Amino acid sequence: DTGVSQNPRHKITKRGQNVTFRCDPISEHNRLYWYRQTLGQGPEFLTYFQNEAQLEKSRLLSDRFSAERPKGSFSTLEIQRTEQGDSAMYLCASSPGQGREKLFFGSGTQLSVL
Amino acid sequence: AQSVTQLDSQVPVFEEAPVELRCNYSSSVSVYLFWYVQYPNQGLQLLLKYLSGSTLVKGINGFEAEFNKSQTSFHLRKPSVHISDTAEYFCAVSNQPGAGTALIFGKGTTLSVSS
Repeated sequence: DTGVSQNPRHKITKRGQNVTFRCDPISEHNRLYWYRQTLGQGPEFLTYFQNEAQLEKSRLLSDRFSAERPKGSFSTLEIQRTEQGDSAMYLCASSPGQGREKLFFGSGTQLSVL
Repeated sequence: AQSVTQLDSQVPVFEEAPVELRCNYSSSVSVYLFWYVQYPNQGLQLLLKYLSGSTLVKGINGFEAEFNKSQTSFHLRKPSVHISDTAEYFCAVSNQPGAGTALIFGKGTTLSVSS
C-alpha cells in the first residue's frame, strides 16, 4: 500500500492557461474522489468515480473542469482557461468501495493562478 | 441540506492538557459523522467515525468523540495531548454510510500544542 499519489505537488500558471493534475489511487480501490480546498475552508466535493464511471459531479464543477478515469485506475483533473478563483489545493481520495467508508487522501496539488 | 459547523477555528493548548474540539451538524435525515486530521504537508487521515450503535466512538491516537443527537453535536476529545497532535482537524457529515456519498466538511480547527 503506497498510498494515494498526486502530481504535481505544486502548479503555478497564468490566468487563461490550461492545467492538468494526476491522481494515482491505492491499487484496487475502485472509488476515486476529487475535492477542492481553499485557505481556511474544509475540502469541498467536486466529483466521484466508481471504476471508470463518473457517477457524481458537484455544482462547483463548472464547464471548465473535466475529470477522467479512463481505465479505472489513475485519474486526471483538467481545468481549462484557468481563473484566479481556481487557486486552491486539489485533493484526491480513494476507497475500496463495497460499503467501506474510509477515504484515503493524497497530499494534494496546490494550484496558484497568477 | 446538510452542514457542519466547527465552533473554534483555533485551539491552543499546553502539552498534557485535555482538549475538546467542537462540531455541530444540521441534517434532516440520518447522519454519519467523521473526524479527519491533516498533519502538516500530509493528506487527511480518518481519526474516527460514527455510523450507528454506541454514541461514544474511540479513534486512533487516543481521541474519542461523542454523538449527541439531541444537541446535534459530535465533539472530539482527548484527555492529554502531545506536541505531535498539532494539526488541522476536520469534522464531516454524510447521509449515507458508504463512501459513495461525498462528505460535507467543516472549515477545520487548528490545534496547536505547545510545551
